[in-house]
Amino acid sequence: GAVVSQHPSWVICKSGTSVKIECRSLDFQATTMFWYRQFPKQSLMLMATSNEGSKATYEQGVEKDKFLINHASLTLSTLTVTSAHPEDSSFYICSAYRDTHYEQYFGPGTRLTVT
Amino acid sequence: AQSVTQPDIHITVSEGASLELRCNYSYGATPYLFWYVQSPGQGLQLLLKYFSGDTLVQGIKGFEAEFKRSQSSFNLRKPSVHWSDAAEYFCAVASLNTGFQKLVFGTGTRLLVSP
Repeated sequence: GAVVSQHPSWVICKSGTSVKIECRSLDFQATTMFWYRQFPKQSLMLMATSNEGSKATYEQGVEKDKFLINHASLTLSTLTVTSAHPEDSSFYICSAYRDTHYEQYFGPGTRLTVT
Repeated sequence: AQSVTQPDIHITVSEGASLELRCNYSYGATPYLFWYVQSPGQGLQLLLKYFSGDTLVQGIKGFEAEFKRSQSSFNLRKPSVHWSDAAEYFCAVASLNTGFQKLVFGTGTRLLVSP
């Protein structure tokens, strides 16, 4: 099956620092990846669509300068939370879109805690 | 704008009993429909999907779902629930206007299984 990994699975950082989260599709190429944020006991909120070789498309209300997305290859997208603050603490989930199956495959998520 | 409604926030089912989780969508045309399951602190796993054809679709772990166009519904069912089915369940739709790529999620239904 299609496998998507995320690294790290959890991270604690200090307020004001930046943290990078990696999302990799391990056994297929993905021109499109998605980044979601999930608050406790809530649904997934789409943050942005990551397109290989082009700029990401951000959803309304998501600060593009705070959440930097880079999709440098067909198997890797990264989300960098810049100048993190405690309110950025959340569960971040990525997915990779498999064109041939019209389906998103989700990573296991990254728990970010900003102290 | 398209939307997905999961009217039940929590459902408690006895182990061995049958289960039905409700999902209704609002969209002009038939979208692609998905059911995902999420265990605590984990990513999402696809249970099943409907694109076209037979309106009763079979998925993994003994789940099935039925698409009813007249009711704009895509309810998830399982004839006999196991304790390991306790998790959060999300219904999602993808529409033609996003190339069937972007998913719109419902708010989720938390399934509790009692002994």
